[in-house]
Amino acid sequence: AQSVAQPEDQVNVAEGNPLTVKCTYSVSGNPYLFWYVQYPNRGLQFLLKYITGDNLVKGSYGFEAEFNKSQTSFHLKKPSALVSDSALYFCAVRDHEARILTGGGNKLTFGTGTQLKVEL
Amino acid sequence: KAGVTQTPRYLIKTRGQQVTLSCSPISGHRSVSWYQQTPGQGLQFLFEYFSETQRNKGNFPGRFSGRQFSNSRSEMNVSTLELGDSALYLCASSLGGLAESTDTQYFGPGTRLTVL
Repeated sequence: AQSVAQPEDQVNVAEGNPLTVKCTYSVSGNPYLFWYVQYPNRGLQFLLKYITGDNLVKGSYGFEAEFNKSQTSFHLKKPSALVSDSALYFCAVRDHEARILTGGGNKLTFGTGTQLKVEL
Repeated sequence: KAGVTQTPRYLIKTRGQQVTLSCSPISGHRSVSWYQQTPGQGLQFLFEYFSETQRNKGNFPGRFSGRQFSNSRSEMNVSTLELGDSALYLCASSLGGLAESTDTQYFGPGTRLTVL
């Protein structure tokens, strides 16, 4: 079974400082990894994904993520945080087994989420 | 291009009733997935439809069902509502073809269901 873990329920950072939101994964095959952000009373917004290729993935709103196969991690980063980045962040993995068994399939398994709070 | 739309945005029902939620995917997207989000269980996969066929199913009781129409719009139905069904129900769409290994799911704003 596929799984992701987000070890921090909340991350606090000062505006202008770099931020990191951690994610580790467990998959049986090649990992397809995603980051989404959720603002209050809204759906999830796609930030970025890793399928293959460069370990540093660039996404929306200045976010990037670093894929590390040896550490099975996919941490989300931003060089300079903004107050408007305050939101709930989710890491997710594509269920590769289901994809093979069903001849397709887009089931995502999500982490528990990390609340990011950026303060002035 | 218009995003994923979900209707209604808010619903209040009582125990034992049934409810139908609707989702219109991004134009050209053929896969629609449904997720339930609760404070206690987080985001959980319900099911996925592609070309009017259920392609994947999560671990939910049979009270939860869905369907997809020829225009890719999807509905999910919950019968005999229980208090624990109170949640934000999210719909996501993607291209969905077998060759689309890099498929990205785009989410709608969700339907907030409250069961009293």
